Amino acid sequence: DAGVTQSPTHLIKTRGQQVTLRCSPISGHKSVSWYQQVLGQGPQFIFQYYEKEERGRGNFPDRFSARQFPNYSSELNVNALLLGDSALYLCASTEQGALRLYEQYFGPGTRLTVT
Amino acid sequence: AQKVTQAQTEISVVEKEDVTLDCVYETRDTTYYLFWYKQPPSGELVFLIRRNSFDEQNEISGRYSWNFQKSTSSFNFTITASQVVDSAVYFCALSGRRGAQKLVFGQGTRLTINP
Repeated sequence: DAGVTQSPTHLIKTRGQQVTLRCSPISGHKSVSWYQQVLGQGPQFIFQYYEKEERGRGNFPDRFSARQFPNYSSELNVNALLLGDSALYLCASTEQGALRLYEQYFGPGTRLTVT
Repeated sequence: AQKVTQAQTEISVVEKEDVTLDCVYETRDTTYYLFWYKQPPSGELVFLIRRNSFDEQNEISGRYSWNFQKSTSSFNFTITASQVVDSAVYFCALSGRRGAQKLVFGQGTRLTINP
């Protein structure tokens, strides 16, 4: 079975631009979470979606938004990019919904560089 | 607030040595979950173990073992007879029962196994 997939693998953007990152969860997984990992640090939680609804949000500005589609894939959007948004963006999927805590399976991430 | 501390930034040992990675956590939740993830150079986070707060039994899986001590809020990870393939960054993470699937990660420990 395919794992969590993310696209694109790498991305270079300029300050002020907008970016959309994509994630496809493991088949059968209905919950998707997004994390930002700045170089040298641990991942930080951005969003969690289950059944197309936002179930959790981390301490990130409104420039960050996300959505989940009927096929449970998800997009993370970041507007007005800043240099500090340069990071590895990780997507994770979970078998159960928002109220159950099961192992999260992570994708390979999208490396975003803002210049 | 929840917090995970991995005081060891980097560890370097010679192959076949035993190595222990420390993890200390803070939470006010009575029900919580602890995790260890491995992040090889490829960037993908690999799930290793999940422990809930009611289960303090130590666990062994091959060369890996985990020591959960609620009294000291620690969840340490030991690799026995280390191998070069164990080289990676290891993250300890915490999730509360009410936090949906928001994982709080430590800063990570970079483990280098030298041949």
